[in-house]
Amino acid sequence: DAKTTQPNSMESNEEEPVHLPCNHSTISGTDYIHWYRQLPSQGPEYVIHGLTSNVNNRMASLAIAEDRKSSTLILHRATLRDAAVYYCILRDKGDDKIIFGKGTRLHILP
Amino acid sequence: ETGVTQSPTHLIKTRGQQVTLRCSSQSGHNTVSWYQQALGQGPQFIFQYYREEENGRGNFPPRFSGLQFPNYSSELNVNALELDDSALYLCASSSYSGAKNIQYFGAGTRLSVL
Repeated sequence: DAKTTQPNSMESNEEEPVHLPCNHSTISGTDYIHWYRQLPSQGPEYVIHGLTSNVNNRMASLAIAEDRKSSTLILHRATLRDAAVYYCILRDKGDDKIIFGKGTRLHILP
Repeated sequence: ETGVTQSPTHLIKTRGQQVTLRCSSQSGHNTVSWYQQALGQGPQFIFQYYREEENGRGNFPPRFSGLQFPNYSSELNVNALELDDSALYLCASSSYSGAKNIQYFGAGTRLSVL
């Protein structure tokens, strides 16, 4: 499985946008980019995924670089409830399992 | 629509014992995956069941085994428990459709092996 690199931790202020980076320089053409997050004492939760184009949903936006070697998860207006570990994951088109890394621990300051 | 539920929420066992963890998948889902999450680490894939058959396995020894039932609920069994098996065990259900599918996770079972 192709690997991803994320910062160990990030901090942001409440009600400000947050940009969570992910590098995946060995991504293949059939790898989808997924983001999950894990709130304290809960299982992981799906956030968003994409292949080549930028994606938006009610939770976040995913910006994918033109060469697909990096991507950024954007939380438009962080709340305290967004404090979690965020995982950037690559999944090949035929692959149903998820290979998690260590993720980025996001701290939100009130 | 009910989500993924796991039982029990917490469990304490001693080394050498056997344990069974249970998972009820989300309505309409036919695939269940199990993950082990050690403290401070990301979840590690154990195995997956699709329509009652094992459909992929991670790097876990054979003493980790599972079952999926006709209603798509699932069990994870661990024999000969070791201290390093202490972890959060997560179950996720999905509709099998490759990399575009979304996995829905339960809150997990916290297993402590003494």
